[in-house]
Amino acid sequence: QSVLTQPPSVSAAPGQKVTISCSGSTSNIGSNYVSWYQYVPRTAPKLLIYDNDKRPSGIPDRFSGSKSGTSAALGITGLQTGDEADYYCGTWDSSLRSWVFGGGTKVTVL
Amino acid sequence: QVQLQQWGAGLWKPSETLSLTCAIYGGSFGGSYWSWIRQPPGKGLEWIGEINQSGSTNYNPSLKSRVAMSVDTSKNQFSLHLSSVTAADTAVYSCGQSPDHYHGVHIWGQGTMVTVSS
Repeated sequence: QSVLTQPPSVSAAPGQKVTISCSGSTSNIGSNYVSWYQYVPRTAPKLLIYDNDKRPSGIPDRFSGSKSGTSAALGITGLQTGDEADYYCGTWDSSLRSWVFGGGTKVTVL
Repeated sequence: QVQLQQWGAGLWKPSETLSLTCAIYGGSFGGSYWSWIRQPPGKGLEWIGEINQSGSTNYNPSLKSRVAMSVDTSKNQFSLHLSSVTAADTAVYSCGQSPDHYHGVHIWGQGTMVTVSS
């Protein structure tokens, strides 16, 4: 049971937009930055978004992040087949003094 | 650009102490937190813990009793030791670098598949 809650899967056609939600509590998302990761099996996870809405260099602006209260979201526009992967949100939990991840969301391009 | 390269045995027996090491290239220990994360087969990412240059650590409460992390600043390396392993510890283990524990893991190692089996 993950501390952060994500939908197990989302899907859309190429070129469309998907939004992945991440729900937490006041001790984690509500009081700390959220980051998002793309994970393709047998490769290293990739940081997509940090500090709620910042993109590392090299990450296209098709990827965007937002946060409101105890929830956060990752948006992917102009969906491409190469975007098929598992996506995870993560943040620091001040009560647990531990980093926590969501359960992951599988993105499928129809 | 910092790069992380990790290594360690891929097969451990139950009750053994798993050990993995991560080397830092193109950077130094100072000013960062160095973490370990794992992903069991078919499951999500799980944060194991972190350590900084001075040896200050934070561990996942669910693993705290079995985890130890250490740094070797002379070699620019940090290590993970997980004791009393069981099949439930079978996972891909990755090391990572963070500016601090608030800003996410920015750099990741390549991952090591670890299997616990007799």
